[in-house]
Formats: sequence, structure tokens, C-alpha cells
Amino acid sequence: AQSVTQLDSQVPVFEEAPVELRCNYSSSVSVYLFWYVQYPNQGLQLLLKYLSGSTLVKGINGFEAEFNKSQTSFHLRKPSVHISDTAEYFCAVSGYGAQKLVFGQGTRLTINP
Amino acid sequence: EAGVAQSPRYKIIEKRQSVAFWCNPISGHATLYWYQQILGQGPKLLIQFQNNGVVDDSQLPKDRFSAERLKGVDSTLKIQPAKLEDSAVYLCASSLGGEGVTGELFFGEGSRLTVL
Repeated sequence: AQSVTQLDSQVPVFEEAPVELRCNYSSSVSVYLFWYVQYPNQGLQLLLKYLSGSTLVKGINGFEAEFNKSQTSFHLRKPSVHISDTAEYFCAVSGYGAQKLVFGQGTRLTINP
Repeated sequence: EAGVAQSPRYKIIEKRQSVAFWCNPISGHATLYWYQQILGQGPKLLIQFQNNGVVDDSQLPKDRFSAERLKGVDSTLKIQPAKLEDSAVYLCASSLGGEGVTGELFFGEGSRLTVL
């Protein structure tokens, strides 16, 4: 079985500052990793995913994430945030061949002007 | 293309009443998921369908929750009788399907249930 831990429930940052949202996973098999974003009163949408290959993955809206197998982490980063990035961010994991996507508890990103 | 449609968006009921949520996935998507998202928590998978067959319902409280996907297209999730702890947003998602979760899940806007 797989599990995900998002280490910060809330992250406040100033506009144009860099941000990192942390995600650690647990699995006995190889994994696929995902970051989803949920804007207020909307459904979740995919930001980026890691399936294989390069450990640095680029997504939409200037976000990127790095897969670190030894540290079982998949942290999300953006070099300069905008007010419009205010949202809830969810890390998710699926094991190879598994039919199930498991989500973390989410990190609320708040951008202050 | 049209996204995942869910209805109703909001529902308020009293405990012990029943409620039903409807989901129409993206056309051609074989896999359909129902997630429960309690305030302050991540989505928790309730049930997953591949076409009209159940792939995983291990976290569905079967004494009160039921779901069906007739004809492998739209789906209905029912709660009867509702409890206070069922207050949550019920998210429907769909994907092309296939072996393992590697592709993108497309989510609807959710149905927010409040049980009084």
C-alpha cells in the first residue's frame, strides 16, 4: 500500500517570493507521483506528474517538482509566486500497476501582497 | 471537450435522510472514481469503476453508501441514512483507464453535502 505525507498544512509567502511545498511518500513498490491543485470552489486539476525518466518534472503555471527516490520525496517548487497561485495543493501517489491514487492531506498556499 | 459534470452542487439534509449524487464523466473515459473530501483533508477514494465493473470499493461504508455505474457511463452515489460525519464534498473524477494509474484524472467541481 502507498501513503503520502504533506509536511506543511499551510504555507504563507509574499508575492514574487519562491516557494517549496513538501511531500514525502511511502511505498513498497515503485511509484508514480502527482501534484494536483484545487482553486476555491473548484475541482482538482493536474499540475504535473512523474512517471519515469528525468527526476525534474515541469508542470503548468511555472511549477516544477523533483523526484528523490533515496529520500522518498517529491517536493513542489516555484521560483516566484503570484496572487493567482493561492490554492490548495495535493500530492498523490500510485504504485506501479496499482489502480488506486492516494492523496495527501493538502497544503494551503496563501500569497500575501 | 466537456468536463466531468456533477449535480447537485450543494445539498443540505438532516441526519437519517437520504441523498443521491450524479456524475457524468468525460466521453470515452472508462474509469470513474468517487472521492470523499472532508474539510481540511485530502480526497479519499470511496469507489472506482472500470467501465461498469467495480475495481476498488474497500473504503466505501457499504452499510450506508452505495454506488452504481449503469451502462458504463454516468454514475450515482447514494447515502442512506446520512450521518453528521458524512458532511463533505463528494468529488467525481474520470480517466481514460487502462493498466495502473499513470494518466491524468479529470475532476468535477464536486457536490457539497451538509448533514444537520
